[in-house]
Amino acid sequence: EVQLLESGGGLAQPGESLRLSCAASGFIFSSHAMSWVRQAPGKGLQWVSGISGSGGSRYYTDSVRGRFTISRDDSENTMYLQMKDLRAEDTAVYYCARGRDNWKVGVFDIWGQGTMVTVSS
Amino acid sequence: DIQMTQSPSSLSASVGDRVTITCQASQDINDYLNWYQQKPGKAPKLLIHDASNLETGVPSRFSGSGSGTHFSFTISSLQPEDIATYYCQHYDYLLRGVTFGGGTRLDIK
Repeated sequence: EVQLLESGGGLAQPGESLRLSCAASGFIFSSHAMSWVRQAPGKGLQWVSGISGSGGSRYYTDSVRGRFTISRDDSENTMYLQMKDLRAEDTAVYYCARGRDNWKVGVFDIWGQGTMVTVSS
Repeated sequence: DIQMTQSPSSLSASVGDRVTITCQASQDINDYLNWYQQKPGKAPKLLIHDASNLETGVPSRFSGSGSGTHFSFTISSLQPEDIATYYCQHYDYLLRGVTFGGGTRLDIK
């Protein structure tokens, strides 16, 4: 079964760090671009960051660039999001999502169940 | 940055009704436009990709159309299980940027 499973969420104080993980199974992980998408409580979806299948290209939304780092370990079938200098506005459910293929990198056909990140003092 | 304007923000309709949601891009995005369904407490689900392509396993009452800057998503006959929030989403083919519309909350009248 094709599956994505996020972990690493929790409560952090402003300025602290967290690292999210997304474990993939059931497909050839290295062949797919991957993304993180977040959803603040009661709000819409916001793309946060994406990484190419090779890991050679990484992209970020403006509000997290310089604070968040996306990475992947294809040997472990896992993607990561290192979040530093967390702010209250980073509070959200964070989903990992799979890009369909190398041509449709932004067609998110598989999603994880999400992990909640709360930034509060 | 490309902006995606989705309307309406909320919609109430009866079972069996034809429902249409629109999404307008701030500039020409060709057909790089997807539609997702999100039910409360659940992850989004891909319904339509590249403007008009129905995802495998998605009922045929769902459809999408459009190109350039104007897109639409239609449910031909609303079913009770279609109650959800629907999002349009633009993507850059290199993943340099992804933008979601604001969402349309769909309720049963």
